[in-house]
Formats: sequence, structure tokens, C-alpha cells
Amino acid sequence: QVQLVQSGTEVKKPGASVKVSCKASGYIFTRYGITWVRQAPGQGLEWMGWIRIYNGNTEYAQKFQGRFSMTADTSTNTAYVEVRSLRSDDTAVYFCARAESNYAYLDYWGQGTLVSVSS
Amino acid sequence: DIQMTQSPSSLSASVGDRVTITCRASQNIVSYLNWYQQKPGEAPKFLIYAASSLQSGVPPRFSGSESETDFTLTISSLQPEDFATYYCQQSYSAPYTFGQGTKIEI
Repeated sequence: QVQLVQSGTEVKKPGASVKVSCKASGYIFTRYGITWVRQAPGQGLEWMGWIRIYNGNTEYAQKFQGRFSMTADTSTNTAYVEVRSLRSDDTAVYFCARAESNYAYLDYWGQGTLVSVSS
Repeated sequence: DIQMTQSPSSLSASVGDRVTITCRASQNIVSYLNWYQQKPGEAPKFLIYAASSLQSGVPPRFSGSESETDFTLTISSLQPEDFATYYCQQSYSAPYTFGQGTKIEI
């Protein structure tokens, strides 16, 4: 069965960096993309960007360009999102989701990783 | 960027009610419209893709339709487990934006 398992809660200070992982299993990793979605406390879903696993190409929403990096390791079937220069408004749950190749819908989701940024 | 506007932002309903949620795209997205359900503290669950195609395992009381840039999610007979927040998402042109969500409450 398809599973996406994310790394655990992170507590960081402003200015630090964090790298969240998303380990995939139950399907051929390179045949799908991985999308990252952010959800601030009490807020809706924000599409951050995605990575096409087969070639490593990435696409980011404008808001998430610069401090955010999406990567993938095909040897371990793991995708990552790194956030640098953390700010308090980066506090959110970060979800990874499998992106279907043609319609780009998100059919399987990780459980979410809470990143808390506070001094 | 394509803007997705959902309405209403919340609604009160009872078990057995027929419920309709609307999502309007700011430009033509053909049929590249998806729906998700999210319950508190959980990851979203994928319901519908291509405006009206039901994901495997999703109960048939859920349905989707489209009319140009307007898209509708209908729950024909609301069940207790359907009280949640619903999001639309366009996957026509990146960034693949979500609507702001519609919360269905008792």
C-alpha cells in the first residue's frame, strides 16, 4: 500500500534552518511527483511547490521561492523540503503528498510535520 | 496565479441533508479541479479529480460537477463522518492553488 511517512515535530529559533523528510513506499517513486503543502495554525491549505522525482525539476509558488528548497533522494525514496532563515510565520504543519503525473492531483498524503518557530 | 474562490466559507447542516459547495476559478481551468476533505488534526483526504471523477473508495454520495469556471461538490445525504472542511484545488497551471475551504458544521 502507498505510504508517505514524514519526520517528526521540529522546534526552531528564528533564523535557523529545518529540513523535513517524507519517505515514500508502496509505489515506484520516480513515476510521480511530490508536492509540499503548508497549513498555518487555524488556516487553509497552501500549495508550496512540487518536485518531479524522475528528473529532479522543481516548481515553487512565488511566495516560497528563495528560502525554500525541495529535493529528493531516489536511492532512499525520500523527498525533502528545507526552509532557511526561519521566521515566526513559518510556524505551520507541512504536508507532503504524492502528485499524479497527468492531473497533478494529490492522492496520498503524509501525516504532516509541525514546525514551530519561536524565540 | 489562478484564484480559487469557495463559497460558503462555512455552513450548518444536519445528518441526511443535501449539501452543495461551490468553487469558482478566476480563469478557465478546463476540468483540472480536485476536491479534498480534511478533519481536524488529520491530513487531507483526496475525494474527486477532473471535476467529477470519484477517487476509488470514496462513497457515491459525493459527486462533482462543472459549468465553465464554476465547480460544485455535492454530498447527497450528509453522514456524521462528513462533518469536516472541504477544499477545492486547481491543477491546470502552477501554482496549483487551493480554495480557502468550506467548513461543514452541525
